[in-house]
Amino acid sequence: QKEVEQDPGPLSVPEGAIVSLNCTYSNSAFQYFMWYRQYSRKGPELLMYTYSSGNKEDGRFTAQVDKSSKYISLFIRDSQPSDSATYLCAVGGGRNFNKFYFGSGTKLNVKP
Amino acid sequence: DVKVTQSSRYLVKRTGEKVFLECVQDMDHENMFWYRQDPGLGLRLIYFSYDVKMKEKGDIPEGYSVSREKKERFSLILESASTNQTSMYLCASRGGARKGNQPQHFGDGTRLSIL
Repeated sequence: QKEVEQDPGPLSVPEGAIVSLNCTYSNSAFQYFMWYRQYSRKGPELLMYTYSSGNKEDGRFTAQVDKSSKYISLFIRDSQPSDSATYLCAVGGGRNFNKFYFGSGTKLNVKP
Repeated sequence: DVKVTQSSRYLVKRTGEKVFLECVQDMDHENMFWYRQDPGLGLRLIYFSYDVKMKEKGDIPEGYSVSREKKERFSLILESASTNQTSMYLCASRGGARKGNQPQHFGDGTRLSIL
């Protein structure tokens, strides 16, 4: 079983839509949860970083963690064509401080 | 802002060559990482380093080695390049435990082709 599962998409939405991206993870010991955005031919860029259950908001982005269900989500409000990218979830903070596990990424296309 | 710089964006090498990929970070981070990213397989950890001259194997270390002589620089070495090492290589860094629980920050990657 993979440590993190993420639907690869692709997900295509019209501009202005609310986007929901999701991951599940297997190990309840994970404490840190991250979302990265990766444009084509670029490295992953950190979007959101949370340490606990609940919601964290940053502009149009909201990260949500449900530790009881081992489920993490990223919501994008008022989506823009510039949001078109691959979104990676990541978890860490288990037994090994430096081991992080990444989802395989969801490709998002926001149509003008 | 954290800056992780990888020396080459694109690299083409031949089978059997020794290949060096270089990474530099400017945030005085203790921890540095090398991943490879392949379609459908996501990011896979090759090696990481938690201090100068210290290293640990990741999930796929075979065929690779690393060097960390200075805190800001972490090199990935392909001892004898093979075609199955054609991939996108990503370097990342993060602060140490005493700086709190920090996420990883990535460079822009090196797209390596082995012919």
